Amino acid sequence: DQQVKQNSPSLSVQEGRISILNCDYTNSMFDYFLWYKKYPAEGPTFLISISSIKDKNEDGRFTVFLNKSAKHLSLHIVPSQPGDSAVYFCAAFSGNTPLVFGKGTRLSVIA
Amino acid sequence: DVKVTQSSRYLVKRTGEKVFLECVQDMDHENMFWYRQDPGLGLRLIYFSYDVKMKEKGDIPEGYSVSREKKERFSLILESASTNQTSMYLCASKNNHPGQGKGEQYFGPGTRLTVT
Repeated sequence: DQQVKQNSPSLSVQEGRISILNCDYTNSMFDYFLWYKKYPAEGPTFLISISSIKDKNEDGRFTVFLNKSAKHLSLHIVPSQPGDSAVYFCAAFSGNTPLVFGKGTRLSVIA
Repeated sequence: DVKVTQSSRYLVKRTGEKVFLECVQDMDHENMFWYRQDPGLGLRLIYFSYDVKMKEKGDIPEGYSVSREKKERFSLILESASTNQTSMYLCASKNNHPGQGKGEQYFGPGTRLTVT
């Protein structure tokens, strides 16, 4: 049973507009959430994270929002750039357990 | 700078061969992980290790084993490679120290393994 779900396999956005990537989770024990970005033939790189005690974390063009009651988080990228085209993975964990990853969303930013 | 290296970027092996994938990290991290990535399936955890000589099964350990004789090195072994093990293999490491990038796993560049 998937504990972390990314229901949109792909997303296309115009350059300069906002990209919103969504993630849902089922395990209420998760207390830390992360987003990773992956280019083809490379390993994932860490993008941004949020603790369950917060509802928002911002880093430059990237903002992650957490809605604990809905067990939902989202990643906003504003403005989107062609270099943002990649696969984005949502991940979650609690304590010292391994990260649990979603299946990823492929973002295409069109110039 | 954080560094996780994997022994090969691309590997082609025959069915039935024993395959070794090596991973080395230079960050003195306690935890190390092996994942495979397949289209539409995301990242699936094969095995992980919290310390030297320790290993834990992940979600898909069948057909794999691991070895961690030194803190910096974590090896994934395919005892008898099969075509359904053709995949991208990703190694990662993470520290356990509170306050230092809590939860953040650092990934290697991946090994694209093809079993024919």
